[in-house]
Amino acid sequence: QSILVQPPSVSGAPGQRVSISCTGSSSNTGADYDVHWYQHVPGTAPKLLISGDLGRPSGVPDRFSASRSGSSASLAITGLQAEDEADYYCQSYDISLSGVIFGGGTRLTVL
Amino acid sequence: EVYLLESGGALVQPGRSLRLSCAASGFNFDDFAMHWVRQAPGKGLEWVSSLGGNSGYIDYADSVKGRFTISRDSAKNSLYLQMNSLRPEDTALYFCAKDGGGVPPYSGMDVWGQGTTVTVSS
Repeated sequence: QSILVQPPSVSGAPGQRVSISCTGSSSNTGADYDVHWYQHVPGTAPKLLISGDLGRPSGVPDRFSASRSGSSASLAITGLQAEDEADYYCQSYDISLSGVIFGGGTRLTVL
Repeated sequence: EVYLLESGGALVQPGRSLRLSCAASGFNFDDFAMHWVRQAPGKGLEWVSSLGGNSGYIDYADSVKGRFTISRDSAKNSLYLQMNSLRPEDTALYFCAKDGGGVPPYSGMDVWGQGTTVTVSS
């Protein structure tokens, strides 16, 4: 079980909105450390979608947005497209572990 | 163009050593933290190690602590991962990644290489 908990899978039809949650604890997201989000097609290089402190890198569409509430964070994808089908990971920092942590990943299926 | 290229992956026997390299270009290498992240077959992304900008702040995952060593050569714009006492569970695709910042808690990994495959098996 990863320290950052994500749902294993989500799905949606083209054009719809989906949300992926990421729940941590008092030593990471609850300590107000930034949460970063990545898109990963297996076998290729992961792609940073949103940096918690630096925002959305150039080239990432504004269909991708992130939010925070306490120890939880969420990634929202609106106007779902077939090309969005991938694995999505949240990432933060854990002060108890003195290191980077990833969520377990969420597989997005576009129906 | 900002670019990372990993190399050094191979098939090795348990207990042996291997050194991975990551050649960087297109940015001021010393200013940014660098990371190694791996993905075992059928598993998610797992953080391995981080090296802060200007070689400060070295961190390791518990699973590799005492066996792996991260380092950088600024003259060669290269990041390394020395892996000793390799185990079958170290089998994975290893990525190097550049951070958007230089120090913990870091700013997100904004550039990734394509990865190099390490297989530990007898």
